[in-house]
Amino acid sequence: DVKVTQSSRYLVKRTGEKVFLECVQDMDHENMFWYRQDPGLGLRLIYFSYDVKMKEKGDIPEGYSVSREKKERFSLILESASTNQTSMYLCASSVSGAPTGYTFGSGTRLTVV
Amino acid sequence: QKEVEQDPGPLSVPEGAIVSLNCTYSNSAFQYFMWYRQYSRKGPELLMYTYSSGNKEDGRFTAQVDKSSKYISLFIRDSQPSDSATYLCAPGFQKLVFGTGTRLLVSP
Repeated sequence: DVKVTQSSRYLVKRTGEKVFLECVQDMDHENMFWYRQDPGLGLRLIYFSYDVKMKEKGDIPEGYSVSREKKERFSLILESASTNQTSMYLCASSVSGAPTGYTFGSGTRLTVV
Repeated sequence: QKEVEQDPGPLSVPEGAIVSLNCTYSNSAFQYFMWYRQYSRKGPELLMYTYSSGNKEDGRFTAQVDKSSKYISLFIRDSQPSDSATYLCAPGFQKLVFGTGTRLLVSP
């Protein structure tokens, strides 16, 4: 069963901490995405990557960075966590050049206290 | 104006009802239109997609696109309590643009 795996289901961090959210896919997909989902705001794109070592800013990149050293792994980094980064974080992947849509992970519920 | 607009609901219906979920979009360049279902505390999963204008049917689900009015619909026939979820429309191709989702509640 193909899947996108996010390393943590629930995470609680303190303000100012550096936070790493990991995402791994086993489908050999070229494209990977990081979203955050908040009530009333829907899914908002943070960063995406169409290839290894490539990254592009999404709609709300401020306060975040990403790393894609291997094709199957896409990491989201919160450089200095703040309470307004408390959210559900969703990773997704997709095939390049085909309208097959995204496969999402189950999400990481991050709480910053 | 948001690129994709979707009524957040909730939409409450009795079991067996026909459900209509809708989105409007602004970018006339969109050619592919996806529908995702998201259960509580889970990631979204792809239900179906259509290309350009027209209808596509998959079991109890029918997706419809009217490009002239930039209007996307998802119809659910004989709705079941297990259909209770949030439904997100997402036009696009390599990079999808998601609506905020409509929460559907189907009561037994």
